[in-house]
Amino acid sequence: DTGVSQNPRHKITKRGQNVTFRCDPISEHNRLYWYRQTLGQGPEFLTYFQNEAQLEKSRLLSDRFSAERPKGSFSTLEIQRTEQGDSAMYLCASSTLRFRTGQVLTYEQYFGPGTRLTVT
Amino acid sequence: SQQGEEDPQALSIQEGENATMNCSYKTSINNLQWYRQNSGRGLVHLILIRSNEREKHSGRLRVTLDTSKKSSSLLITASRAADTASYFCATVTGANSKLTFGKGITLSVRP
Repeated sequence: DTGVSQNPRHKITKRGQNVTFRCDPISEHNRLYWYRQTLGQGPEFLTYFQNEAQLEKSRLLSDRFSAERPKGSFSTLEIQRTEQGDSAMYLCASSTLRFRTGQVLTYEQYFGPGTRLTVT
Repeated sequence: SQQGEEDPQALSIQEGENATMNCSYKTSINNLQWYRQNSGRGLVHLILIRSNEREKHSGRLRVTLDTSKKSSSLLITASRAADTASYFCATVTGANSKLTFGKGITLSVRP
């Protein structure tokens, strides 16, 4: 399977615990995104990487959240001291960015199956 | 914040009918994309239309874009029960290419 994979698929944790999620993007994709989706809503952007550089973080990403993408391959999203409001589906996506004379071409994002986090 | 607003919020049709879903957005865009989400396959990309394009087709899908009205529509022709899902429009406004999603439309196709 050459799609985006995420682990674990489900995580139940107690309030105050730390959790870490992993995303493995499509291998040739240079961009990796994290989104969060709550029930009845569309996904909301959290952060993204171009290769190993984290280029933007949403204000939704409090200081309890940290994301890394060492070596520009897989990425991890860690939530420290989880709160019940962190319960959501965490989605990872990857895509390709290409440059052509005078243009930056962006392409569709391929999403993983998500990690559903439940904080009790 | 969510830029796209889909309309209607829910749509129920008979198999074989066409389904039209609309999306409006607020700021200038680079491109607009439609995604489908169901519990079985997660979030799947359907079609991308760039800001300098007005219409695109992909199989049974037809998407239009009117940048003057800041709106897009997705038409699914000859719907099937397997088209039952939530549909989201998402816009890309800058070089970061992050997606800003709407709240989605729930489509039910009755066999």
